[in-house]
Amino acid sequence: GAVVSQHPSWVICKSGTSVKIECRSLDFQATTMFWYRQFPKQSLMLMATSNEGSKATYEQGVEKDKFLINHASLTLSTLTVTSAHPEDSSFYICSAAGLASFLDTQYFGPGTRLTVL
Amino acid sequence: DAKTTQPNSMESNEEEPVHLPCNHSTISGTDYIHWYRQLPSQGPEYVIHGLTSNVNNRMASLAIAEDRKSSTLILHRATLRDAAVYYCILRDPVSGNTPLVFGKGTRLSVIA
Repeated sequence: GAVVSQHPSWVICKSGTSVKIECRSLDFQATTMFWYRQFPKQSLMLMATSNEGSKATYEQGVEKDKFLINHASLTLSTLTVTSAHPEDSSFYICSAAGLASFLDTQYFGPGTRLTVL
Repeated sequence: DAKTTQPNSMESNEEEPVHLPCNHSTISGTDYIHWYRQLPSQGPEYVIHGLTSNVNNRMASLAIAEDRKSSTLILHRATLRDAAVYYCILRDPVSGNTPLVFGKGTRLSVIA
């Protein structure tokens, strides 16, 4: 199956710093990428949807100025957590979808664990 | 996407079959039934999907009730590696390239 990578796999940062997480589709063109957040013992919560070359669509309650998403190419989307605080500590997961993924499958990255001290 | 209901947790012995149920009584005629699973500290992975007929692949089988209001994911021989949270998700292809909406899923424990 298709492969989606995320980098870094984990990151620890100080409060107030910004952290960038990359999501790459390695062997297919991802017209759409989705970003999720998962707190311990909870399910995945959708944060935003990004289509290549256009602005991301954020879910209600997700601050677009805090979680900056860029989808500059068909194989790369980035999520930047700006001025991170301890409450932003979470497991961030991206998924990538091609043109017909509503019927086939979506491919998820391995996740990035962010810890903000 | 229509709502699904799954048991919070299930337990199985290693090398025995596991039947994971999912109720989706409000499923529409065009909704596909998808199953994903999430191993500990990893992103979800696709398991199987179907519309009306039962489906088999190398990972699992999907049995769909005749009225489509429920389905069952079948792992024929559970291994320790199958311990994960299993999510049953309905998707309407008419919606286009939409995100997967995850419920709470079923946490499967496999006992050696």
